Amino acid sequence: DQQVKQNSPSLSVQEGRISILNCDYTNSMFDYFLWYKKYPAEGPTFLISISSIKDKNEDGRFTVFLNKSAKHLSLHIVPSQPGDSAVYFCAASAGNNNDMRFGAGTRLTVKP
Amino acid sequence: KAGVTQTPRYLIKTRGQQVTLSCSPISGHRSVSWYQQTPGQGLQFLFEYFSETQRNKGNFPGRFSGRQFSNSRSEMNVSTLELGDSALYLCASMWGLQYSYNEQFFGPGTRLTVL
Repeated sequence: DQQVKQNSPSLSVQEGRISILNCDYTNSMFDYFLWYKKYPAEGPTFLISISSIKDKNEDGRFTVFLNKSAKHLSLHIVPSQPGDSAVYFCAASAGNNNDMRFGAGTRLTVKP
Repeated sequence: KAGVTQTPRYLIKTRGQQVTLSCSPISGHRSVSWYQQTPGQGLQFLFEYFSETQRNKGNFPGRFSGRQFSNSRSEMNVSTLELGDSALYLCASMWGLQYSYNEQFFGPGTRLTVL
């Protein structure tokens, strides 16, 4: 069963604009959420995380928002750059369980 | 500091064969997790090993098995290969201490093609 869902398989934005990637989850036990970025022929690399005690975490151009009541999180990239073009996976886990569940990924294309 | 390494990078097998994939975690990491990535399915969790013990397991058939050695290196085995097993197999390592939040570091993956 897909406990973590990324309903948009792809997203295309213009350089300099905002990219918003969305993720929904169903398991209310999840309390730690992560975003990974994956380039072709490479393993995913950690981007940013947020725990359920927060509703926002910012790191440079990347901000993750968490809406626990809606079981929804989003990743904002501002401003988007062509080098951000990659597949983005959201992931979730319960704090005491290292079984991490991933979404199917969203392919972001940033056009110059 | 060396990253997570996986060998081999590419494999071609035929149906019915078995395959063993290897993963060497980052030095000091005690947890190794395995994932299967197929188009449209994202990363599906196979299992996690910590200190030579399987700690978590996903929803895969018994044909998928793994083990971890005392140096934290891990192997994954798939027996009686099926066409649907063609995928990118990723392993990830982390410190692995429970009740603490861990970021996983992924290897480049092994691309398995079953003919």
